[in-house]
Amino acid sequence: GENVEQHPSTLSVQEGDSAVIKCTYSDSASNYFPWYKQELGKGPQLIIDIRSNVGEKKDQRIAVTLNKTAKHFSLHITETQPEDSAVYFCAAGSGAGSYQLTFGKGTKLSVIP
Amino acid sequence: DAGITQSPRHKVTETGTPVTLRCHQTENHRYMYWYRQDPGHGLRLIHYSYGVKDTDKGEVSDGYSVSRSKTEDFLLTLESATSSQTSVYFCAISEAGQETQYFGPGTRLLVL
Repeated sequence: GENVEQHPSTLSVQEGDSAVIKCTYSDSASNYFPWYKQELGKGPQLIIDIRSNVGEKKDQRIAVTLNKTAKHFSLHITETQPEDSAVYFCAAGSGAGSYQLTFGKGTKLSVIP
Repeated sequence: DAGITQSPRHKVTETGTPVTLRCHQTENHRYMYWYRQDPGHGLRLIHYSYGVKDTDKGEVSDGYSVSRSKTEDFLLTLESATSSQTSVYFCAISEAGQETQYFGPGTRLLVL
């Protein structure tokens, strides 16, 4: 089955700096890659996703890049703010049938004011 | 939380007792999922449903069963709870033909 590795497990940045979280996946059939943000005591919330026919996608301060050849994708957050502090999860899915997702183990991002 | 509610939100139970968690959606989405979240493991799929009375196993299904008698409700049952099932349980939904999954607020379960 699919295996998703996520790094780093913790990340501290100064407010205003950029943060980058990286994930690798093992199944070349995977074609959907979402990123979720989870705040303490809440459920994961989708923040951005990318499909395998696209190399990069941006939404304001958030961007995701995908390298299908190397089987890795990354989340980039620019101009970080304290409210960006949360746990971020990457996931990979094959889009076949039930659209099952395999998640990375998460990155705890702390933005220091 | 995309019209998803989970009940109860917190539960403490004893080893060996049966436990049922409920997920209710108001979005009329076809697919529903149960995940568990544990420190160091991220989110792992327990079971999922692709329609009323249609369910299948996920990565960590041992010790769990599910039922879906209505589009809006997906039940997760621990027939005989064990301490290893102490976890936070999340329900998710997705539309037919769409990969995006939306998550509920979670249920925190403690098995003593």
